[in-house]
Amino acid sequence: AQSVTQLGSHVSVSEGALVLLRCNYSSSVPPYLFWYVQYPNQGLQLLLKYTTGATLVKGINGFEAEFKKSETSFHLTKPSAHMSDAAEYFCAVRRDDKIIFGKGTRLHILP
Amino acid sequence: DADVTQTPRNRITKTGKRIMLECSQTKGHDRMYWYRQDPGLGLRLIYYSFDVKDINKGEISDGYSVSRQAQAKFSLSLESAIPNQTALYFCATSIPGLSDEQFFGPGTRLTVL
Repeated sequence: AQSVTQLGSHVSVSEGALVLLRCNYSSSVPPYLFWYVQYPNQGLQLLLKYTTGATLVKGINGFEAEFKKSETSFHLTKPSAHMSDAAEYFCAVRRDDKIIFGKGTRLHILP
Repeated sequence: DADVTQTPRNRITKTGKRIMLECSQTKGHDRMYWYRQDPGLGLRLIYYSFDVKDINKGEISDGYSVSRQAQAKFSLSLESAIPNQTALYFCATSIPGLSDEQFFGPGTRLTVL
């Protein structure tokens, strides 16, 4: 069965520093993978997705993620954190026409 | 105007009361979903519907029921609310395809006293 594991329920980075949010998936078939972001008091919105093709996926707001089959990972990165990036981030995988979400990582940006 | 709307946005109720949460969409999507979000648990699927005549249970359907009144409307009911149903509830839509990307409403914060 396909699922995702997000490492770290809270991550803190300084403004301007690299953002790295970790996600590992388990899947017996090529997965469709997603990162969603939830800003305070809002619903989730799609940051980026991997379906097929290029393994480095670029998303909105300067985020990108790399699909690494050998490591079963889909980590989310951003070179330089902004205060506006403070939010909760969810990794997700498609399974049986449904989306299975990880438990989320709350990103804190330190001034 | 938002593509996926939820009403009410906030609701406080008492144990044993019947509650209905409503979701409407203007995206023209056939597929609709109800999730609940609890701190540290992420989003968990309650029910989903792939078209008006199709209703399916998700991983945590006990204590909930749904109604798909039209392509654009999908309601979630708590027949007899209990305190552990206090949570943030999200409706989402998608179109079938390669990825089934989902589009979320703003959420309903439900508190059961």
